[in-house]
Formats: sequence, structure tokens, C-alpha cells
Amino acid sequence: GAVVSQHPSRVICKSGTSVKIECRSLDFQATTMFWYRQFPKKSLMLMATSNEGSKATYEQGVEKDKFLINHASLTLSTLTVTSAHPEDSSFYICSANDGAGVGNEQFFGPGTRLTVL
Amino acid sequence: KQEVTQIPAALSVPEGENLVLNCSFTDSAIYNLQWFRQDPGKGLTSLLLIQSSQREQTSGRLNASLDKSSGRSTLYIAASQPGDSATYLCAVNSNFNKFYFGSGTKLNVKP
Repeated sequence: GAVVSQHPSRVICKSGTSVKIECRSLDFQATTMFWYRQFPKKSLMLMATSNEGSKATYEQGVEKDKFLINHASLTLSTLTVTSAHPEDSSFYICSANDGAGVGNEQFFGPGTRLTVL
Repeated sequence: KQEVTQIPAALSVPEGENLVLNCSFTDSAIYNLQWFRQDPGKGLTSLLLIQSSQREQTSGRLNASLDKSSGRSTLYIAASQPGDSATYLCAVNSNFNKFYFGSGTKLNVKP
């Protein structure tokens, strides 16, 4: 199956700093990628849809100025957590599918664990 | 908005047992449903994908069924092994590839 990578896998930062997380589709092009976050012992919550060449679409309750998404190419989407605070500590996962349209299998990255001190 | 529920939340069985994990969803207008496995602190491993037009999919000891009209899916694991211990998540694709996840079933298979 298609491969999605994330970098970094783990990051620890001080409160107030910004952190950038990269999501790459390694062997396919993805016009759309998705960002999820997972709280400890909870399920994944969709944060936003990242669209190549246009603005991201955020789910209700997700602060777009807090979580900046840039989909600069067909293989790369970035999530920047701005002015991070301890409550932003979480596991962030991206996904993409390798086909046009809907109904295709989603491939998920390995996740990035963010810890804000 | 799609709501996905998984029952049970946790399950502990002795090795060798067959078991069933349940997933239900509120909106039957789905494109597909995917079952994942997540090990502690790790990402997601895709197990099975069922398209909305399909009734079931099989991969090795795993069998997933889908009853779209009733909003239900089951994951059947045959002859469970300790290596199957993990959290199992079901996710429903009901809005242009946006996936809505259940809260998962944490499975422990005892040797």
C-alpha cells in the first residue's frame, strides 16, 4: 500500500514556541490530506482537511490561527502549532489517499507526539 | 454529524478464542469503513477496508462485515493470539474522505 510519513516522530518544546509537523506522501500524490489529533486513551478527532493550493478546511471548534496548515505541494502538508501550550500536547496523525474521488483507502502516517512543557 | 461507537471498550480473552468487535454508526450514507489496529504510542495499521457496496472482507484470521442499512460493522478475529493485543479502531468515511473514528476496543489476549 501507499506510504505516508511524518516528521518529526516526537517533539518536546517550551510553552510559547511554535512547532511544525510535516506529512509526506512518499510514493503517490495527494491533493487532499487530513490532520487528526488523539488525546491520551481517546480516539482520533479530525482537525482539518488540507487542500493542495488552497486554504485548509477546519472542523468546528478547531482554531485555524492556532493550527496553521499549508499544503504546498502534492506530496507535502505541514501543520504548525503556533504559540504552543501544555494543552496542545497530543498525538497528531495525518492521512492521505492515493486516488481521486471518494471511497479510496486512507493511509495514515505514523504520528507525531507533541509534548509542550 | 456522523457518530461512531465501538463496543466493548475493552476485552480480555485467553489465547485461542474467537472474538467479535462491534462498531456502529449513525449515518448510513457512507463511502466505506476501515478497521485499524493501534499499538500503544504508535500510529495506525490498516487491517481491512470495506466499500459501501460490500458485505464483508477477509484477510487471514480477520473478517469484517458491514450492514450499512443498520449502521453496523463487526470485526471477527479467529483463533486469537497474544500478538493481537492492541486497540482496534473502526473509522467511517462519510464525507469526502473524512474519517470519523470510534473510541476503540482495547483487546488483551492472554497467553
